[in-house]
Amino acid sequence: NAGVTQTPKFQVLKTGQSMTLQCAQDMNHNSMYWYRQDPGMGLRLIYYSASEGTTDKGEVPNGYNVSRLNKREFSLRLESAAPSQTSVYFCASSLAGMEQFFGPGTRLTVL
Amino acid sequence: GQSLEQPSEVTAVEGAIVQINCTYQTSGFYGLSWYQQHDGGAPTFLSYNGLDGLEETGRFSSFLSRSDSYGYLLLQELQMKDSASYFCAVRDFDSGNTGKLIFGQGTTLQVKP
Repeated sequence: NAGVTQTPKFQVLKTGQSMTLQCAQDMNHNSMYWYRQDPGMGLRLIYYSASEGTTDKGEVPNGYNVSRLNKREFSLRLESAAPSQTSVYFCASSLAGMEQFFGPGTRLTVL
Repeated sequence: GQSLEQPSEVTAVEGAIVQINCTYQTSGFYGLSWYQQHDGGAPTFLSYNGLDGLEETGRFSSFLSRSDSYGYLLLQELQMKDSASYFCAVRDFDSGNTGKLIFGQGTTLQVKP
C-alpha cells in the first residue's frame, strides 16, 4: 500500500499561472483534506471532503478550488497563483476518525 | 471561535523527560490528538485522547482533562531522533463525522546530547 501520494513534489509558478495538485489514497478512506503549512506555522485547512461527492471550505479557501474525483482522488486547483500562496501543501485522508494520514507534501513557490 | 495554545519551543537533553502542553477553546469537543513532524517531512499521528486520563504508547504518553480544556504530550527517555515539531489538534462538534481537525501552531522540540 502506498498510503497517500501527492504530485508534484516541487513546483515553481509565476504569478497568474494555474496548476492542479493531485492527491490519491489507497486506504479506502471516506474523508480527504487539503492543508497548507507556512514556515514555522501549523497546518491550516483549505478544503475537505467528508465523502465522495461532497466538498466543504476550511479555514483558508480563498484562491483555491477542489474536486473529489472519486473515493481515491482529491485534487486542489490554483486558478491564478499569487506569491501569498507560496507554501507547502499537504493532502491527508481519514476514516472520519481522529487519525489522519498525510501525503509527503508539495512544495510550491510562486514568483 | 476555536483556538489552541502550545509553547513554540522546548529544549531538553537526551535521556530526559519533556512535557508539551496544549490548551484549547472550542465549541464542544470530541477529542485531542497529537502529531509529530520532522523537518521537511509530513505529520504523522502519535496519539488520541477522547476521554480524561492518560494514554500510553511506548515512550510517549498523552493526557487529557476535558474540564480544564487541557492536555499534554509526555516524551520519556528522549532520543536525538525525537527532535521534531509536535502539534496538538482538536475535533469539535462542528466537524460532525467529517474528521475535520483544528491544529495548534506546533512546538519545536530540540533534544541536545
